[in-house]
Amino acid sequence: EAEVAQSPRYKITEKSQAVAFWCDPISGHATLYWYRQILGQGPELLVQFQDESVVDDSQLPKDRFSAERLKGVDSTLKIQPAELGDSAMYLCASSLQGGNTEAFFGQGTRLTVV
Amino acid sequence: DQQVKQNSPSLSVQEGRISILNCDYTNSMFDYFLWYKKYPAEGPTFLISISSIKDKNEDGRFTVFLNKSAKHLSLHIVPSQPGDSAVYFCAARGDGTSYGKLTFGQGTILTVHP
Repeated sequence: EAEVAQSPRYKITEKSQAVAFWCDPISGHATLYWYRQILGQGPELLVQFQDESVVDDSQLPKDRFSAERLKGVDSTLKIQPAELGDSAMYLCASSLQGGNTEAFFGQGTRLTVV
Repeated sequence: DQQVKQNSPSLSVQEGRISILNCDYTNSMFDYFLWYKKYPAEGPTFLISISSIKDKNEDGRFTVFLNKSAKHLSLHIVPSQPGDSAVYFCAARGDGTSYGKLTFGQGTILTVHP
């Protein structure tokens, strides 16, 4: 069964360091999402790609976060510098077209900033 | 401004009985609603969805009901099984900003006792 792949599964980093997460969506899925889930809350959208283009990054803290999907396939989310409040689960999801199709999530990356 | 709310943080049910999880929303532009199930340290798994033009969708033990006038949806699980114990998130799509973006509730922890 096709899955959304994410790495690493867990990451511990010191504050002010840089950290990066990688996501490989389900093959053929044009839409890719990065969500952040803080413990006790629901996931919140950080950035949405349609192929290689950003269609929504209104909730992305652009002073420290960046995201790219250069060839419209896999994607990288970067934080620099990391802050204590960035500790959360970072979830990648993909869907066929982003419209009338369900989003499928990867297992996530658990980030702890110390 | 939380547009999707799950007001019950937790629910405890006996095995074999019905579990009813509730969700309220405020944005009338939402056109599609989904339920996701999440185990600890894993990403959300899609369960069932419903379009805003329907009032009921059924899939095996899972049924989702939508009351548009009340801006309320519910997920019924019958019969409940211990393996259903997880966090359940409702999500809504189409908030008027970017198509495909999902807005999640805070989640409800379901515990099914043997």
